[in-house]
Amino acid sequence: EAQVTQNPRYLITVTGKKLTVTCSQNMNHEYMSWYRQDPGLGLRQIYYSMNVEVTDKGDVPEGYKVSRKEKRNFPLILESPSPNQTSLYFCASSLGGTLEPQHFGDGTRLSIL
Amino acid sequence: GENVEQHPSTLSVQEGDSAVIKCTYSDSASNYFPWYKQELGKGPQLIIDIRSNVGEKKDQRIAVTLNKTAKHFSLHITETQPEDSAVYFCAASRGGFQKLVFGTGTRLLVSP
Repeated sequence: EAQVTQNPRYLITVTGKKLTVTCSQNMNHEYMSWYRQDPGLGLRQIYYSMNVEVTDKGDVPEGYKVSRKEKRNFPLILESPSPNQTSLYFCASSLGGTLEPQHFGDGTRLSIL
Repeated sequence: GENVEQHPSTLSVQEGDSAVIKCTYSDSASNYFPWYKQELGKGPQLIIDIRSNVGEKKDQRIAVTLNKTAKHFSLHITETQPEDSAVYFCAASRGGFQKLVFGTGTRLLVSP
């Protein structure tokens, strides 16, 4: 089954404790991206990747890192999480860029205390 | 940069009624306008999209219209059903690897 898989689905942690949210897709997609969803603000892009080893900032990259060492994986790293990063996070992938349908994972709800 | 405004933020209709959600965009170079449906506990899923060389597109009970001059596009759902209840997002993009900018979402509630 074609899918984007995120882990964990839920996480409660404390300020400053490094965490990684994994994202994996099995569709051989070139383009992958991370969004955060906050009430009243919709979906805002954090980072995106056009291909292996090629990443770029989205609208809200502060406090986040990403890497794309393999085509299928695109982890989101919070080196020193803070309470303002409490949010619902989505990973998405597409065959090539933003003119293609974006396939979203089911989300990761992060709470930073 | 691109800014997408979406209205209304919530919409309640009776089953069988029509629902209309409206979006405006700021970047005249945007040429791709998808609509996503997000059900509870799930990620958004594409339901219909339109490109700037087309004024209207239909898929069964769902249609999207685009007015490039006014920089305005709308989602129309006819004969609504309870399973249409969800959050709907519009988005706009210049295409390629340019950003996909989302609206703030509309929560649609269809009452039986």
